[in-house]
Amino acid sequence: GEDVEQSLFLSVREGDSSVINCTYTDSSSTYLYWYKQEPGAGLQLLTYIFSNMDMKQDQRLTVLLNKKDKHLSLRIADTQTGDSAIYFCAEFDSGGYQKVTFGTGTKLQVIP
Amino acid sequence: DVKVTQSSRYLVKRTGEKVFLECVQDMDHENMFWYRQDPGLGLRLIYFSYDVKMKEKGDIPEGYSVSREKKERFSLILESASTNQTSMYLCASSSSEGGYEQYFGPGTRLTVT
Repeated sequence: GEDVEQSLFLSVREGDSSVINCTYTDSSSTYLYWYKQEPGAGLQLLTYIFSNMDMKQDQRLTVLLNKKDKHLSLRIADTQTGDSAIYFCAEFDSGGYQKVTFGTGTKLQVIP
Repeated sequence: DVKVTQSSRYLVKRTGEKVFLECVQDMDHENMFWYRQDPGLGLRLIYFSYDVKMKEKGDIPEGYSVSREKKERFSLILESASTNQTSMYLCASSSSEGGYEQYFGPGTRLTVT
């Protein structure tokens, strides 16, 4: 079945850029997503990219997609303490019924 | 603005009790989902529904059932709660058009004692 993998933890200094990486296995994925989860809260959709795109930028967020390597990354420019959260990568399951497969999440710690 | 609400933020139940978790969305979405989230295991899909009165098993349906009598409402039922069902439960909804992105509720932290 589909699998989405992320590293568990990332620590960066405030003001630096953060890069969170993700790999997936489903070569027929059509949409890939990034979600943010703050402590005790649900998941908040940050952005998503269609598989025919290489890059998408939205303010401080840049998503890069390497479809050949099945690699997705999220870059956060000028990282702030409010960016501390768990970030989930997810892919749309093209097998049907609009299922989405989530990674296990990367916990981003921003050091002041 | 997209809104998904869940009936409780925190819930404490005893082993063997029947538990109802309710989820309501106001976006007229066709699809609704129930996940549980546990440390180190990420999100695991319990059940989903792509239409009223329709349901499909997810990856971990054992010990759970669901009900979707109205388009906006999707209920998760624990017939006889057990301690291993202590978890964070997340509801989500999505449209069958566009990017299929899922929108999540705030979650219900269920503790079974």
